[in-house]
Amino acid sequence: NAGVMQNPRHLVRRRGQEARLRCSPMKGHSHVYWYRQLPEEGLKFMVYLQKENIIDESGMPKERFSAEFPKEGPSILRIQQVVRGDSAAYFCASSSGELYGYTFGSGTRLTVV
Amino acid sequence: EDQVTQSPEALRLQEGESSSLNCSYTVSGLRGLFWYRQDPGKGPEFLFTLYSAGEEKEKERLKATLTKKESFLHITAPKPEDSATYLCAVQARGAQKLVFGQGTRLTINP
Repeated sequence: NAGVMQNPRHLVRRRGQEARLRCSPMKGHSHVYWYRQLPEEGLKFMVYLQKENIIDESGMPKERFSAEFPKEGPSILRIQQVVRGDSAAYFCASSSGELYGYTFGSGTRLTVV
Repeated sequence: EDQVTQSPEALRLQEGESSSLNCSYTVSGLRGLFWYRQDPGKGPEFLFTLYSAGEEKEKERLKATLTKKESFLHITAPKPEDSATYLCAVQARGAQKLVFGQGTRLTINP
């Protein structure tokens, strides 16, 4: 298992397009977390999911952003109608349970032009 | 609101020059304090978890300590490959999310 896999590594979108970011957790991990790192800022929590359930989305912007973690397949972070301010690195992390630490992926760097 | 402040923002050291990074935190009941290392263009890499005041953990040239209000990451005789941004984060009891500080950008000159 190569760890938490995120793709694509780099994504360029024009303003108004949709961005889809994918995250495959480590084998055996059923908890997925998404974080955003804006330029010159720290990592900010966005959403926590378990299979087929959103557990905590307190860090997600109310509009244009959604996340899912289906029974089969990767977790998806979807950003509709992207704007320049969405340009950031988006990191996914996974864990095997609430009492265990996270493993982060290498991130997807989204650039909105 | 849970909060983490790291200092300094940036630190330059000569190879072999030991120092410490600070992480001050406020949290509504601490479940754990985490240290990560982040290299440019990569995701955070887990270093340590500390759970209670007085706890210490070591890994190679790094040693993390914890009090009720802050944590220190001590780096002893650093090498250029220790250059990275070091991130501190807290997890409150009953919560899943981590609250991160801004990080300390460490540069070790040969």
